[in-house]
Amino acid sequence: EFVLTQSPDTLSVSPGERATLSCRASQSITNALAWYQQKPGQAPRLLIYDASTRATGISARFSGSGSGTDFSLVISSLESEDSAVYYCQQRHDWPINFGGGTKVDI
Amino acid sequence: EVQLLEAGGGLVQPGGSLRLSCAASGFSFGTYGMSWVRQAPGKGLEWVAGIRGSDYGGTTYYADSVKGRFTISGDGFKNMLFLQMNSLRAEDTAKYYCAKDLVPRIGRGFDYWGQGTLVTVSS
Repeated sequence: EFVLTQSPDTLSVSPGERATLSCRASQSITNALAWYQQKPGQAPRLLIYDASTRATGISARFSGSGSGTDFSLVISSLESEDSAVYYCQQRHDWPINFGGGTKVDI
Repeated sequence: EVQLLEAGGGLVQPGGSLRLSCAASGFSFGTYGMSWVRQAPGKGLEWVAGIRGSDYGGTTYYADSVKGRFTISGDGFKNMLFLQMNSLRAEDTAKYYCAKDLVPRIGRGFDYWGQGTLVTVSS
C-alpha cells in the first residue's frame, strides 16, 4: 500500500503570505494525486487533481506541482478563509488513500 | 446542481449491521464513479469503497480494513448509492461521506461530497 506523508503537520502563517504544503509518496505515483481543503464541520472540497489541474471554481491562488514521489500545494497570498486542513490523495494504485493532513492556521 | 444526500447512520452495537444510502441528483449517475469516504472523530479522511460508473462496468473496490464486511452498490434507476456494513467494529465509528468522482473511474478527484452521516458503533 502506498503511504502518503504530509508535512508539516501544522503551518502558521500571516495573511498575505505564501504557504507551501508537501505530500510525499512512498513509491512513485506519477501524477495521480489530488488535493482537498476541509474546513471545520464541512465536507472536503476538491482543489487540485492530476497533481496540477485546478478543479472548477478554484481560485488561481491555489497551485499544485510535482510528479513521482514529491508533490506540493502552494497557496499564494493567504486569506483568513484559507484556514483549514489540507489533504492529499493518491489514485495510482489500490487502495486509494489520503495523507494525514496539514492544518493551516492563518 | 449536483446534490448528494446521505442517510442511514446511527448507533449500532459491535457485530451489528447498518445500511447507508446516498441520494444523488443533478448528474448522470451511471456516468461517474462513486465512493464512500469516512472520517473518524478528530481524525483524517479514509477512503472506504468505490464503484465505477455503471455505464462502465460498475466494478467495486474496497479498502483492506472493510473488505469482506462492507458492500457498495448503486441503483441507476433511482440514482442511489448504498453501503451495506456488516460485522461492525468500534473502529468503524466515523462520519461517512458519499462522494462523486470527476470521471467514471475511481479516485481521480472527488468533486462533490455529501454532508455525511454519522455511524457510531458502541455497546
